[in-house]
Amino acid sequence: SQKIEQNSEALNIQEGKTATLTCNYTNYSPAYLQWYRQDPGRGPVFLLLIRENEKEKRKERLKVTFDTTLKQSLFHITASQPADSATYLCASPRDTGRRALTFGSGTRLQVQP
Amino acid sequence: DTAVSQTPKYLVTQMGNDKSIKCEQNLGHDTMYWYKQDSKKFLKIMFSYNNKELIINETVPNRFSPKSPDKAHLNLHINSLELGDSAVYFCASSQGPDVGPYEQYFGPGTRLTVT
Repeated sequence: SQKIEQNSEALNIQEGKTATLTCNYTNYSPAYLQWYRQDPGRGPVFLLLIRENEKEKRKERLKVTFDTTLKQSLFHITASQPADSATYLCASPRDTGRRALTFGSGTRLQVQP
Repeated sequence: DTAVSQTPKYLVTQMGNDKSIKCEQNLGHDTMYWYKQDSKKFLKIMFSYNNKELIINETVPNRFSPKSPDKAHLNLHINSLELGDSAVYFCASSQGPDVGPYEQYFGPGTRLTVT
């Protein structure tokens, strides 16, 4: 089944910079990928979904790309703010025909003021 | 107005006990899920129900038994608790008959500690 890999090391950036988080999938090419935000002690919150036929998706300061050749999705936060500090999770359908999502372990983002 | 709610928020219990976690969603969604998030932060699907019907049952010990009295509620009962059951359990819901390209709404989680 699908495996999602995210950089487990925390990403530290300065306020105002662009944060870029990486999600790699290892097996089949998913029909879509989802990105969630998780704050400590809380449940994940959906941010964006990108389909395999979409190269890029934007929502306010967020941008997601989907590169089926590299088997990768990039998640960008422009003009980052300390309030963006959280763990960001990438998710894919686990495999074709199965009704479940598989999640990566997430990348923790820390935006320094 | 809480979309997906879970009770209790924290649960501390001893090995061998039986406990339940309750979940309710007021979004009118057809599908509900239980996930387990371990210490390494991986979220793993345990069960999924669509309109009270079990559609996903992962390789979970049969000590775990989900129950869906109606499509707005999905409870999780755990028998004979073990140390390895300690984790955060999340309930979630989504529209549609299966996981599809639908966003999932998660509850606040229940932190279970087995001593």
